[in-house]
Amino acid sequence: GAGVSQSPSNKVTEKGKDVELRCDPISGHTALYWYRQSLGQGLEFLIYFQGNSAPDKSGLPSDRFSAERTGGSVSTLTIQRTQQEDSAVYLCASRQGANEKLFFGSGTQLSVL
Amino acid sequence: SQQGEEDPQALSIQEGENATMNCSYKTSINNLQWYRQNSGRGLVHLILIRSNEREKHSGRLRVTLDTSKKSSSLLITASRAADTASYFCATARYSSASKIIFGSGTRLSIRP
Repeated sequence: GAGVSQSPSNKVTEKGKDVELRCDPISGHTALYWYRQSLGQGLEFLIYFQGNSAPDKSGLPSDRFSAERTGGSVSTLTIQRTQQEDSAVYLCASRQGANEKLFFGSGTQLSVL
Repeated sequence: SQQGEEDPQALSIQEGENATMNCSYKTSINNLQWYRQNSGRGLVHLILIRSNEREKHSGRLRVTLDTSKKSSSLLITASRAADTASYFCATARYSSASKIIFGSGTRLSIRP
């Protein structure tokens, strides 16, 4: 596609429910990144994929968080048993190669009630 | 912990003035990038400077990099109301060039 697409743009869920956030990167971009941003804060690195592999998962906050990428394209970030502190904007970005700029999606605003 | 820290956290200036934001980081890097974010959603890339470069220009933007001090600055000249946004630096560590870490950002407000 023309840009990085994220869905849904907004998600309201109840505490304890599972949620799936989707990211569709720019076609041909091999690297894909997930970040989390709480209100008024900076971006917190979660995970990145090179192809379908995730060399660095160190940013995932807990074992309730997982991510996968299939076919070197779409990625899904799953949060199990959501907690109120999971409320944030989840941003996805992709890039074509090393030392290249990131292209960001518009993010998913997650609200856990 | 964050690799980059921006300074100041917030900056308010008059339209037409220059705005300077600073970024400090902790480890050796491959490159440093600056991004802008409007309305708390997607970020837009502004400029990338490599570790062997000292200064780079793009329109009204000027970026410097001092690897000995592990710091960078972003200068926006002749500011406009549309420059109101949050600005973030991002670093790719030398040891893991693919992992890109963002700083905490500077919120820039341009007064008309």
